Amino acid sequence: EAGVAQSPRYKIIEKRQSVAFWCNPISGHATLYWYQQILGQGPKLLIQFQNNGVVDDSQLPKDRFSAERLKGVDSTLKIQPAKLEDSAVYLCASSLRRAGNAGGANVLTFGAGSRLTVL
Amino acid sequence: KQEVTQIPAALSVPEGENLVLNCSFTDSAIYNLQWFRQDPGKGLTSLLLIQSSQREQTSGRLNASLDKSSGRSTLYIAASQPGDSATYLCAVRFGSSNTGKLIFGQGTTLQVKP
Repeated sequence: EAGVAQSPRYKIIEKRQSVAFWCNPISGHATLYWYQQILGQGPKLLIQFQNNGVVDDSQLPKDRFSAERLKGVDSTLKIQPAKLEDSAVYLCASSLRRAGNAGGANVLTFGAGSRLTVL
Repeated sequence: KQEVTQIPAALSVPEGENLVLNCSFTDSAIYNLQWFRQDPGKGLTSLLLIQSSQREQTSGRLNASLDKSSGRSTLYIAASQPGDSATYLCAVRFGSSNTGKLIFGQGTTLQVKP
């Protein structure tokens, strides 16, 4: 089974520039997550999709961050304009849970991440 | 507020030692708890998952326990090896369903010296 694919792996930009990250989840996984992991901290959930609908985006800084999941498969996370404090690794994860499936562990599989440095 | 805390932040042990990593959470109403491993520059790899109805899970040299009433979980690593060096993250899914938010601790960075 192919894993969660993310690109680019590394990106360096200057503040106020824009950047976009792409994620391709495991085939058949209905739920997709974007996490932000700042150096020395645990991952923080930015947004969670169920198919192509948003389930939770309460911690997404909506004035500068946006995300979409086209046709319930791939997803793109965009930052515009970037700030210094956005320097972090952006992790994408997916899980099998489908709407109506109340049971099951809902185990997440993570991609390798996209490391962003804002100068 | 639902929070997950891991202590210590870093740990260094000689090869062969048994060790325990700690995770505490603020709300006993959890759905499950998961331990992950993260190597430098890599994503997270799931190690063990414990459902709220379980007390422990084992995989090879790893054993994870869960005590909901005290809000604690431990990850026990037996006979540590240099290859175990990594950051270990505890993540708790709060609530009563598998749709609850997965909240991570800040991790414990383990170094096993040969």
